[in-house]
Parts: sequence; C-alpha cells; structure tokens
Amino acid sequence: SQTIHQWPATLVQPVGSPLSLECTVEGTSNPNLYWYRQAAGRGLQLLFYSVGIGQISSEVPQNLSASRPQDRQFILSSKKLLLSDSGFYLCAWSGKGTGGVFGSGTQLSVL
Amino acid sequence: AQSVTQLDSHVSVSEGTPVLLRCNYSSSYSPSLFWYVQHPNKGLQLLLKYTSAATLVKGINGFEAEFKKSETSFHLTKPSAHMSDAAEYFCVVSEGIQGAQKLVFGQGTRLTINP
Repeated sequence: SQTIHQWPATLVQPVGSPLSLECTVEGTSNPNLYWYRQAAGRGLQLLFYSVGIGQISSEVPQNLSASRPQDRQFILSSKKLLLSDSGFYLCAWSGKGTGGVFGSGTQLSVL
Repeated sequence: AQSVTQLDSHVSVSEGTPVLLRCNYSSSYSPSLFWYVQHPNKGLQLLLKYTSAATLVKGINGFEAEFKKSETSFHLTKPSAHMSDAAEYFCVVSEGIQGAQKLVFGQGTRLTINP
C-alpha cells in the first residue's frame, strides 16, 4: 500500500533562517506530488506541484521553492524565512483521477 | 477556474443528531468532488469522493454526500453525530493542470459536537 512520510512534524525557526521540509512516498511510482500551505483558520492553498523528476510548477509567487531530486521525494525550501511563511505545510501525492493523499503535516512557526 | 463555497464556517450539533455540512461548487464541466476531514494538528483524511459515478456517495465513518448538478451542491451528511466527529471539514473540487490534479479547497467548516 502507498504511504507518505513528511518531516519534521513541528519546526520553530527564526526570521531569515533557511528551511528544508522533506516528503517521501512509498508504494507507488511516478506520483504527482504537491505542497500545500494552510494558514491559521483558513483552507489549504496549493504552493507547488510536480508531475516528474525535476519538474516543478509554482502556483503562487512567494519566498519558497520546491525540488524533486528523486521520483518519490519532494522538498520544500527557503533561503531566508519570513514571518508570513508560518503555517501548516502539507505534502500530498495523487494518481490519475484520485483525490490527494496527504502527509501528516509540518507546523512551521517563524519567530 | 473552479471553486467551492462552504456555506457555514461553524456547525454545532448534539451527539446523536444529524449532521449537515453544506458545499456548493463552481465548475465549467463535470467535476470531481471530495470531502476531507482534519482533526486538530493532524493531516487530512479523505472521507469520500465523487467522480461521475453514483450521485450518492458513501464514505467512511458513516458519512455520505449527494452530488446535485442542478443545485451545484455536494452536501455532507451523517445520520447520527458522534463525539469523535468533531473536526474541520473541507469540501474540495479537483482541477486538472498539465497532467497533475490541483485540489481547490473550500474555507472549511468546523464541526462541534455537544454532549
């Protein structure tokens, strides 16, 4: 069966520090991968998606970037965090015609 | 672009009574629709999905939703609420984007269950 792993679960970072969140998927090949962000009290917003290795599409302009160095690995990064980057980050994967399967999320607090 | 509107930001019901969470969608073609649940500080769990098969969709934990094209609605229901149902619920529409699948989320409905 397919599983998705996301870490860390919580992260507290100072403003201006770098960020790296990692997500890996098991039990499937060539998945579509996604990073979503949930700001406090709001729904989820798609940040990035990837349909293959090295293929990254950005949905909204922002301070973050994403990379897919391997088929089942998706990384969310920032060189310098802003206060507005705080939120709950969720990685997800999907196959064709299916809803997304989400990881357990990372609560990021930028102070 | 597709969108969803969850008509209630907060719903409160008593344990054992029916639950109704309302969702309307906007789509230029036959959509794929989903309901997700999020418990506090947890990830999202898929409750059910509609993908142009039967209009009444049954999900996990006794939830079901009915797709009504004429009303552009996809309301979530449960006959009898349980304390463990207290959570945030998201109505979601799927939009195809260059081989991937963008999930467009509603703003969520917080469900509170009173003892």
